[in-house]
Amino acid sequence: QSALTQPPSASGSPGQSVTISCTGTSSDIGAYNYISWYQQHPGKAPKLMIYEVNKRPSGVPDRFSGSKSGNTASLTVSGLQADDEGNYYCTSYVGGDVVFGGGTKLTVL
Amino acid sequence: QITLKESGPALANPTQTLTLTCTFSGFSLSSSGVGVGWIRQPPGKALEWLALIYWDDEKRFGPSLSSRLTITKDTSKNQVILTMTNLDPVDTATYYCARYFLFSSWFDPWGPGTLVTVSS
Repeated sequence: QSALTQPPSASGSPGQSVTISCTGTSSDIGAYNYISWYQQHPGKAPKLMIYEVNKRPSGVPDRFSGSKSGNTASLTVSGLQADDEGNYYCTSYVGGDVVFGGGTKLTVL
Repeated sequence: QITLKESGPALANPTQTLTLTCTFSGFSLSSSGVGVGWIRQPPGKALEWLALIYWDDEKRFGPSLSSRLTITKDTSKNQVILTMTNLDPVDTATYYCARYFLFSSWFDPWGPGTLVTVSS
């Protein structure tokens, strides 16, 4: 399977909202509602932010939300804060396997 | 509290075989739906899924490296071992292990990662 497609960068000012897209195919994103998103700060391990398209693990602020339409999933970060800056990766279940996106660097201006 | 930690050599020679161990606590790899996965990240690049081993000993591998990878588990020691044969400098990366839940397909939590440099 091929990597999911994410924009290399996204940005927004504090308080604004930003949406990061993750495009796959009818075999991955389009076929399953098992989409997850991870936040990674420089030098740190990734952290689960969203799972099953739009569910948040305990402790993740409700400023983070997810959605899916067809073969594209999206992560929206509302009320941007400085600590939201980092790299974000999407993943999709693919019939027992997993595929990651190429990552998006989110910059808080 | 669930924790995972990767261990292995920091430096490896080209053509050698790499063995990485993931030691975990706070969950059982015998529980239905639970797995442990390995993911790597070359410096400055994206995450790449490598392998998964499930509670029932089913194993799955990423397509690009499947011929070079082996994954095993020792449930009594709470360890998962990944071996990668025929190393190349392009395999230089931080290697992470993470708990995986099959029925929702997520990795959480992750270990801190271990940097492996392949160089002669």
